[in-house]
Amino acid sequence: DGGITQSPKYLFRKEGQNVTLSCEQNLNHDAMYWYRQDPGQGLRLIYYSQIVNDFQKGDIAEGYSVSREKKESFPLTVTSAQKNPTAFYLCASSNQYNEQFFGPGTRLTVL
Amino acid sequence: ILNVEQSPQSLHVQEGDSTNFTCSFPSSNFYALHWYRWETAKSPEALFVMTLNGDEKKKGRISATLNTKEGYSYLYIKGSQPEDSATYLCAFKDNQGGKLIFGQGTELSVKP
Repeated sequence: DGGITQSPKYLFRKEGQNVTLSCEQNLNHDAMYWYRQDPGQGLRLIYYSQIVNDFQKGDIAEGYSVSREKKESFPLTVTSAQKNPTAFYLCASSNQYNEQFFGPGTRLTVL
Repeated sequence: ILNVEQSPQSLHVQEGDSTNFTCSFPSSNFYALHWYRWETAKSPEALFVMTLNGDEKKKGRISATLNTKEGYSYLYIKGSQPEDSATYLCAFKDNQGGKLIFGQGTELSVKP
């Protein structure tokens, strides 16, 4: 079945550690996105990539990094520079109509 | 900063009630307005992508209208069922090459 997978579902991190969240899609979409959700807020865009080997900062990119070496994969690294990383992270890809297809999400908790 | 507002924030209705909620967005540089449904423990799923002023879209008991000149869209659910319980997100995209900007969502709870 075509879709988007994210792993892990839950992730715990100690302060000062970098962690990488995985996102894979087999929908053959060029564009991929990372969003963050906090309670009471809408989805906020962290980074997006419209094509392989290219990506742009979203609204809240500070403390995060991404890579896009393959069309199928768009991993997100949460660095120690991210001041408040505890959140729910959603990955998405989009078709030619910009309709977004979302993964199941990763809940990151900093201990 | 583009602002997308949804109201109400939450809504509790009885099974069989019809309900509607609002998404407000900038009325200039419009490109598209999206609606998504996000059920608990699942991924958000696209309901509608609307691009033309006056657009009306329908999927089963759910329909949406679009007014780009005044910057709002309504989502209607006719005869709400418990399985309609979810957070409904709208998202706005401008024609300046911008990204989707999401509202904070309306959380709907339908009691049997």
